[in-house]
Amino acid sequence: AQSVAQPEDQVNVAEGNPLTVKCTYSVSGNPYLFWYVQYPNRGLQFLLKYITGDNLVKGSYGFEAEFNKSQTSFHLKKPSALVSDSALYFCAVSAPHQTGANNLFFGTGTRLTVIP
Amino acid sequence: NAGVTQTPKFRILKIGQSMTLQCTQDMNHNYMYWYRQDPGMGLKLIYYSVGAGITDKGEVPNGYNVSRSTTEDFPLRLELAAPSQTSVYFCASSYNPGTSYNSPLHFGNGTRLTVT
Repeated sequence: AQSVAQPEDQVNVAEGNPLTVKCTYSVSGNPYLFWYVQYPNRGLQFLLKYITGDNLVKGSYGFEAEFNKSQTSFHLKKPSALVSDSALYFCAVSAPHQTGANNLFFGTGTRLTVIP
Repeated sequence: NAGVTQTPKFRILKIGQSMTLQCTQDMNHNYMYWYRQDPGMGLKLIYYSVGAGITDKGEVPNGYNVSRSTTEDFPLRLELAAPSQTSVYFCASSYNPGTSYNSPLHFGNGTRLTVT
């Protein structure tokens, strides 16, 4: 069965500094990987996905994520953090051979706080 | 285009009471989902539907029921509320399974339910 881990409950970064939110996964075969963001009192919003191809994928709001197969990781990154990036970030994984609607698994979330 | 709309936004129930959480989407999506979000636990799938008239259990279905009489609506029913059902509930929809590479989930803004 697939699973995903977000090892940090909380990440603090100063505005203008680069940010990284970590995600590791476990899945048989090649994974589909996703990042979602949740702003206060809102539902989750899709940020980006990795399916195949380039290991560096770009998404909304200047975010990008790097797929590393050997380390089974899919860390979310941004070169320069904004205060408005403060939110709860979720990593999610599914397996291409198990694309049933009940086979998307979310991590526990990482709260990002960008300090002015 | 309203996306996914959930009502109510907040509700307090007494133990043993029942209620229905409403969810409607206007994107003509085939797939709809109910998740619950608990602190430090991420999102857990309660029920999902792959189309009108078809529903299936997710990871944590006990204590809940759903129906899907139309493409647009996917209400979640709590029959005998228990304190363990205190949570934030999110409805989501997608055109294809959210696990697939081309169909991210669209979330509503959530319902915060407290059972006392």
